Amino acid sequence: NAGVTQTPKFQVLKTGQSMTLQCAQDMNHEYMSWYRQDPGMGLRLIHYSVGAGITDQGEVPNGYNVSRSTTEDFPLRLLSAAPSQTSVYFCASSPGQGYTGELFFGEGSRLTVL
Amino acid sequence: KQEVTQIPAALSVPEGENLVLNCSFTDSAIYNLQWFRQDPGKGLTSLLLIQSSQREQTSGRLNASLDKSSGRSTLYIAASQPGDSATYLCAVKDYKLSFGAGTTVTVRA
Repeated sequence: NAGVTQTPKFQVLKTGQSMTLQCAQDMNHEYMSWYRQDPGMGLRLIHYSVGAGITDQGEVPNGYNVSRSTTEDFPLRLLSAAPSQTSVYFCASSPGQGYTGELFFGEGSRLTVL
Repeated sequence: KQEVTQIPAALSVPEGENLVLNCSFTDSAIYNLQWFRQDPGKGLTSLLLIQSSQREQTSGRLNASLDKSSGRSTLYIAASQPGDSATYLCAVKDYKLSFGAGTTVTVRA
């Protein structure tokens, strides 16, 4: 069982470039989510999904796009990278609709936007 | 809006001492509370999950209590070891998951 796998682990982008952070889980979890972690700001929810074909916005969705075509995958797209998007990004999944289940995190993707 | 607070922000103890980490939250209408451990440069590892109907959960040297009426949870780590050095975060689930800022623990050998 790999759990939650994120790629890439590190990425450097220039302002205006686009990219996709990949997240895959092999636990058949319905709920998946993306967080960003910044010093002094804690963890903030970007987008989440309660099942294939269903996505919704979290606290800080601007500048990010998601889709959920399969149960296993939940990619996060940066449309036009900005220095304010420099952060550590975490993908997390949970069984059920995400209300009562334990949340499992990936190792993180460290993004720097120059 | 749910506010989650963890005090102190940092804690340093000698090896063998018991650790007591606090988490407080403002809205008691929660589904559950989860404690995580985060090592530098790593992701979050789930330690304990307490459902709203439970008062405590135990795993090995770890014990977490939940008092919804007072909006508090406490994580106890018995007989601390240098390997327990990490940041510990609590997260409260109501309609969304709200995280505390964490307590960074250093256990001195």
